[in-house]
Amino acid sequence: DGGITQSPKYLFRKEGQNVTLSCEQNLNHDAMYWYRQDPGQGLRLIYYSQIVNDFQKGDIAEGYSVSREKKESFPLTVTSAQKNPTAFYLCASRRAGGTETQYFGPGTRLLVL
Amino acid sequence: ELKVEQNPLFLSMQEGKNYTIYCNYSTTSDRLYWYRQDPGKSLESLFVLLSNGAVKQEGRLMASLDTKARLSTLHITAAVHDLSATYFCAVDERGTGNQFYFGTGTSLTVIP
Repeated sequence: DGGITQSPKYLFRKEGQNVTLSCEQNLNHDAMYWYRQDPGQGLRLIYYSQIVNDFQKGDIAEGYSVSREKKESFPLTVTSAQKNPTAFYLCASRRAGGTETQYFGPGTRLLVL
Repeated sequence: ELKVEQNPLFLSMQEGKNYTIYCNYSTTSDRLYWYRQDPGKSLESLFVLLSNGAVKQEGRLMASLDTKARLSTLHITAAVHDLSATYFCAVDERGTGNQFYFGTGTSLTVIP
């Protein structure tokens, strides 16, 4: 089965702690994305990557970091610099350069203790 | 800055009624996508519209695109409770590195 997986489903962060959210896809997509969704709000782009070892900041990149060492994987680290990280985080992927839709993972809900 | 606006933001409608959700955008894109999100869940792709005049239908939902007016509509026919969800439109602007711009979302509640 092709698709996008995110883990964990729920994540708790303590003050001053960095946490990493996992995103893996087996769709052979070049482009991958991270979005943040606050309750009752739309999606805001954090980072995106069009190719391995390259990524670009989105609208709200401050306090977050990413890596793209493998085509299948695009982990997101929420650093201690992100003062209000409580949100629903969604990872997506898409075939680069085409007109296909973005496919979304199931999401990770991050809560601050 | 590219903007994508949806209206209404909230929609409460009775079963059996018809209604339309509007998506206006500020670019000349001819690539428009509709998604559905159930409470607490991820986004699910509904429609992909890739040219002026494009129309797609699935069940009680029909989406259309007017690139000259920079407008897409999502029409709901004879609403049923199962259609209750939040609906998002998104625009893909050529040359922006595959970046999507999402609308604010329309929260639809269908009342029995």
